[in-house]
Amino acid sequence: KAGVTQTPRYLIKTRGQQVTLSCSPISGHRSVSWYQQTPGQGLQFLFEYFSETQRNKGNFPGRFSGRQFSNSRSEMNVSTLELGDSALYLCASSLSGHRNEKLFFGSGTQLSVL
Amino acid sequence: TQLLEQSPQFLSIQEGENLTVYCNSSSVFSSLQWYRQEPGEGPVLLVTVVTGGEVKKLKRLTFQFGDARKDSSLHITAAQPGDTGLYLCAGASGSARQLTFGSGTQLTVLP
Repeated sequence: KAGVTQTPRYLIKTRGQQVTLSCSPISGHRSVSWYQQTPGQGLQFLFEYFSETQRNKGNFPGRFSGRQFSNSRSEMNVSTLELGDSALYLCASSLSGHRNEKLFFGSGTQLSVL
Repeated sequence: TQLLEQSPQFLSIQEGENLTVYCNSSSVFSSLQWYRQEPGEGPVLLVTVVTGGEVKKLKRLTFQFGDARKDSSLHITAAQPGDTGLYLCAGASGSARQLTFGSGTQLTVLP
């Protein structure tokens, strides 16, 4: 069974640009969550999608957005990039998103904003 | 805002030694998970504890959830170089489907 796949693996952008990251969950998983990981702040929750609906959102500005498609694949978009957006962006999937369910993380997309 | 504090932040020990990592909060969590993350990879779930006072063992790893469900600990016996990694605790509360992660403990086990 294939794991959670995130593309691209690495990305370099400049300030003011926008970026789209992709996440393909494990087959059969309908919940996809996104986290930002930085050395200073650790892992912080961005948002969670289930059946194409955003169910939960973390404390990030509106420049961070996401969506989920009917096949459960998800994308997140960051507009007007800032230097502080440099981070490892992790996607995680689970069957239904219940708080005690096992989360399976992808290897992440390392975003560098210059 | 719920916070989870982990200690120590860094730990470097010799192979065969024992160690304990702590995860503390002033908030109550309905469950707590422990993850291990290796460089270039996402976190991998080790265990989920849901009941106050619960103790779970996974080979040389022992996980404990505090009676008040505000703290947890991870104890590793006879550490091995393969245990090297970033250990993260993460708490869930209420019906929230988002996890609050601790700041992590970077463990290095030297051969």
